[in-house]
Amino acid sequence: DIVMTQSPDSLAVSLGERATINCKSSQSVLYSSNNKNYLAWYQQKPGQPLKLLIDWASTRESGVPDRFSGSGSGTDFTLTINSLQAEDVAVYYCQQYYSPLITFGQGTRLEIK
Amino acid sequence: QVQLVQSGSELKKPGASVKVSCKASGDSFTDYAMSWVRQAPGQGLEWMGWINTNTGNPTYAQGFTGRFVFSLDTSVSTAYLQISSLKAEDTAVYYCARGYYDNSGYYYSDYWGQGTLVTVSS
Repeated sequence: DIVMTQSPDSLAVSLGERATINCKSSQSVLYSSNNKNYLAWYQQKPGQPLKLLIDWASTRESGVPDRFSGSGSGTDFTLTINSLQAEDVAVYYCQQYYSPLITFGQGTRLEIK
Repeated sequence: QVQLVQSGSELKKPGASVKVSCKASGDSFTDYAMSWVRQAPGQGLEWMGWINTNTGNPTYAQGFTGRFVFSLDTSVSTAYLQISSLKAEDTAVYYCARGYYDNSGYYYSDYWGQGTLVTVSS
């Protein structure tokens, strides 16, 4: 299994500041034949369906604010939220789909400082 | 717009069975796969597997074989998760999620249901 490890487990950031969430995979999720990283980011808010933010490590989904961005390649990835808004309080998960056995990170809880 | 609407919460006794439904609307049901994800209380997300909505072929993740069954009724754009011989440790929120796939397998999920809480308690 590919183990996905997020850091930190939780963080508190002031409104308007930048939040950075890291995700590390136990093996590369970069598929060499197409040079794509098989990694997605999701946002989970209480009482709401999960929301897909980013796929292919850096492709923002339609309708996702551009303050959300994804970066990284191979085994190390980052979700960056610029100019944090109150509505960004949530738990964020990375997920690899390189392996047929899909795995998620343990989640990172983002709060307002 | 695309919506996945799941059935309501269930309270079951150990040893019983439960069937969770997930009705899709807003897009062609068979253009996407359907996956299932478990979230135990206070825990993270655990991928259970997926079902090909064209062929009906299910793929189960490790730990979700035997008691767990994915099925479809394409006539009503609905996917089902049935769990038999329920145990206390099956207590969780179960999510359906629509996603992309190809011959290599399932990719990522672009729409999720709201979740169904299954509580197993005597």
